Amino acid sequence: QQQVKQSPQSLIVQKGGISIINCAYENTAFDYFPWYQQFPGKGPALLIAIRPDVSEKKEGRFTISFNKSAKQFSLHIMDSQPGDSATYFCAAIRKAAGNKLTFGGGTRVLVKP
Amino acid sequence: SAVISQKPSRDICQRGTSLTIQCQVDSQVTMMFWYRQQPGQSLTLIATANQGSEATYESGFVIDKFPISRPNLTFSTLTVSNMSPEDSSIYLCSALTGYYGYTFGSGTRLTVV
Repeated sequence: QQQVKQSPQSLIVQKGGISIINCAYENTAFDYFPWYQQFPGKGPALLIAIRPDVSEKKEGRFTISFNKSAKQFSLHIMDSQPGDSATYFCAAIRKAAGNKLTFGGGTRVLVKP
Repeated sequence: SAVISQKPSRDICQRGTSLTIQCQVDSQVTMMFWYRQQPGQSLTLIATANQGSEATYESGFVIDKFPISRPNLTFSTLTVSNMSPEDSSIYLCSALTGYYGYTFGSGTRLTVV
């Protein structure tokens, strides 16, 4: 059972455009929702994260929108740059379950110059 | 933030042999995790390794196949035993380095021939 579903699987956006990645979760016991960015040959790196009692969090060009009632959250990358080309993973953490990260399936983003 | 060094970065191994992957964190951490990632896919948790206790394995992973050591608060190893081509994958270690912060190594790309 996939607890965190992510879409789309891949995304192509022009430089300066907006990249939007969506995730949906099933377990309401999750208590933290991070996004990770992974470049080829590297491990995932934390990009931005949000608690479920917050509806939006912005850090630079990256914004998380969180809809608790719908059990959905999304990542918006504003003014997308070629250097943003990477795979993005949403995730969820449940402290009571041993701090394990549950990852979404990933979205490969390509920003064309 | 913490830095995780993982080695080897890649290896090509004969079927039936074993490979031990090392993970070194530059600070003391309580929880470490081992993941498997098929190229282009998401991360699957293999096990959680806490210092001073037996590793906890996820469904589908067993200690005989993936023995883990955690001798101190900065180091862990994962052994892939009796390898078959199906074990070809990227193996990543991770550590809980903040309240909700996870740091990942760069991974070990394993090819079994």
